[in-house]
Amino acid sequence: KAGVTQTPRYLIKTRGQQVTLSCSPISGHRSVSWYQQTPGQGLQFLFEYFSETQRNKGNFPGRFSGRQFSNSRSEMNVSTLELGDSALYLCASSLNQGIGTEAFFGQGTRLTVV
Amino acid sequence: GESVGLHLPTLSVQEGDNSIINCAYSNSASDYFIWYKQESGKGPQFIIDIRSNMDKRQGQRVTVLLNKTVKHLSLQIAATQPGDSAVYFCAEKETSGSRLTFGEGTQLTVNP
Repeated sequence: KAGVTQTPRYLIKTRGQQVTLSCSPISGHRSVSWYQQTPGQGLQFLFEYFSETQRNKGNFPGRFSGRQFSNSRSEMNVSTLELGDSALYLCASSLNQGIGTEAFFGQGTRLTVV
Repeated sequence: GESVGLHLPTLSVQEGDNSIINCAYSNSASDYFIWYKQESGKGPQFIIDIRSNMDKRQGQRVTVLLNKTVKHLSLQIAATQPGDSAVYFCAEKETSGSRLTFGEGTQLTVNP
């Protein structure tokens, strides 16, 4: 059974550009969540999608957005990149929402903004 | 806001020893907790979970203890091996949805 796949693995972008990251969840999983990981802030929740609808959103500016497709694949977009957006972006998929539903993480996309 | 945090940023143990990693949480409404292991260059990997109606749960070489009175969570690793070296995170999951609130992380180093 394939795990969570995130593409690309590494990205280098310039300040002011925009970027799109992709996440393919485990087959059959309908919930996808995104996290930002930095040395200073740790793992911070970005947003959660279930059945193509955003169910929850973390405390991030509007430059961060996402969506989920009918096949549960998800993308997140960051516009007008800032140096502080450099981070490891992690995607997690779950079969469903709620208690006891294990989340499986991808290896992440390492974004560097220069 | 509510947060989940760890007492110790680093822990160094000898191979074969038992390791204990601690975590304090502040949201008294939290009712589900998970421990994750993250190795360098990889995403977090599920280790063990526990619901708030339990105070102890055991897995293979790992045990999670939950003390709701003092809002404390711990992960015990028996007979620690070099392959256990990683960063360990505790996380809280809300009753509904899939959102995880993570602690700061503890770097566990196992010396041969």
